[in-house]
Amino acid sequence: EDKVVQSPLSLVVHEGDTVTLNCSYEVTNFRSLLWYKQEKKAPTFLFMLTSSGIEKKSGRLSSILDKKELFSILNITATQTGDSAVYLCAVEFAQGGSEKLVFGKGTKLTVNP
Amino acid sequence: GAVVSQHPSRVICKSGTSVKIECRSLDFQATTMFWYRQFPKQSLMLMATSNEGSKATYEQGVEKDKFLINHASLTLSTLTVTSAHPEDSSFYICSATVIAGVPYEQYFGPGTRLTVT
Repeated sequence: EDKVVQSPLSLVVHEGDTVTLNCSYEVTNFRSLLWYKQEKKAPTFLFMLTSSGIEKKSGRLSSILDKKELFSILNITATQTGDSAVYLCAVEFAQGGSEKLVFGKGTKLTVNP
Repeated sequence: GAVVSQHPSRVICKSGTSVKIECRSLDFQATTMFWYRQFPKQSLMLMATSNEGSKATYEQGVEKDKFLINHASLTLSTLTVTSAHPEDSSFYICSATVIAGVPYEQYFGPGTRLTVT
């Protein structure tokens, strides 16, 4: 079963819209939740969240984690065409003495002019 | 569906030895597999892109003689770290895709933690 589930899988918006991307997870021994933006090559790191309720912000992007309900959201305000990408959520957790990193399938965001 | 596994999940080796990491697509045929290395502050660096039956394409700055990649079949790619040194200690992640081109869907493996002593 999927441990990290992202929704929606794809999203098409117009420039200026605000979008909310969702990531829910189900793991034990949670360490952190990571958000990445993937355009061409390697995913670009956006945020790492470890504590509930503390919003992380970078420009028009912000993210928050809810460790009780096991989900995180990534908000993008005043979207631009350059925000078009696949946004990946990943969860780090410990299992069997080693660290694991599980990625969700991603949300493909398309921002039209 | 679309599960990618890596083996081993964790390996400790001595300096100067070689370590092989396997990446398998369990329920699909991967035309392309990617190898990443995770650096501090969670950034991922693409090391190389491998297509089944052909030589891997290495990113600038990645030594192809040190990080040997073999994509022997549509479900298996291996990364061998040769003559490992402590600075090679890192988290190595592979991903696989069935669709060539950009943008594409990638399915990530769980990663392999390499520690070189």
